[in-house]
Amino acid sequence: DVKVTQSSRYLVKRTGEKVFLECVQDMDHENMFWYRQDPGLGLRLIYFSYDVKMKEKGDIPEGYSVSREKKERFSLILESASTNQTSMYLCASSAITGTLGDTQYFGPGTRLTVL
Amino acid sequence: GDSVTQMEGPVTLSEEAFLTINCTYTATGYPSLFWYVQYPGEGLQLLLKATKADDKGSNKGFEATYRKETTSFHLEKGSVQVSDSAVYFCALGGGSNYKLTFGKGTLLTVNP
Repeated sequence: DVKVTQSSRYLVKRTGEKVFLECVQDMDHENMFWYRQDPGLGLRLIYFSYDVKMKEKGDIPEGYSVSREKKERFSLILESASTNQTSMYLCASSAITGTLGDTQYFGPGTRLTVL
Repeated sequence: GDSVTQMEGPVTLSEEAFLTINCTYTATGYPSLFWYVQYPGEGLQLLLKATKADDKGSNKGFEATYRKETTSFHLEKGSVQVSDSAVYFCALGGGSNYKLTFGKGTLLTVNP
């Protein structure tokens, strides 16, 4: 069965802390994505990666960085957390196939609160 | 650029009512279209998809037909249940980077 796991379901951090959100997939997928979800704004793409050590900015990369040292793991890093980064963070993965826009599989999400 | 517009919620229905959630899109080329569902406290799950014009995706009693002429992919279900209460997202995919573009989501509440 398809599985995407995220390191925490709930996280509370203080302003200025460095925050790591981890995502692991067991499907050998090439593509991995980080989104944030906010009421009224839907899902917004922060970063994605199409291969190990490769990354591309999404729509809202400011204040975030990512790391992909291994194929199965994709980390989102908040270098200095701020209150406006309080949100639900969703990780997803997908395979590279001949079909455009292949299905993305999502983790359960991490609800981050920055105080 | 690509965009998805879906019906604003919230939508509240009684059990066994008919459901329609409208979704229209703007895209270049021939995108794939998706409906995802998010149950309370969970991540998104794929509900159904369609990859070309006139395709019908279906799952768990939900259906949506890819209408190229009206650039639409409306979600329908003939008889909703309380367990269908969730947020529904329409999305389109296309291009070489496998990104999906999501609508803002529609909250559905089904009352007994």
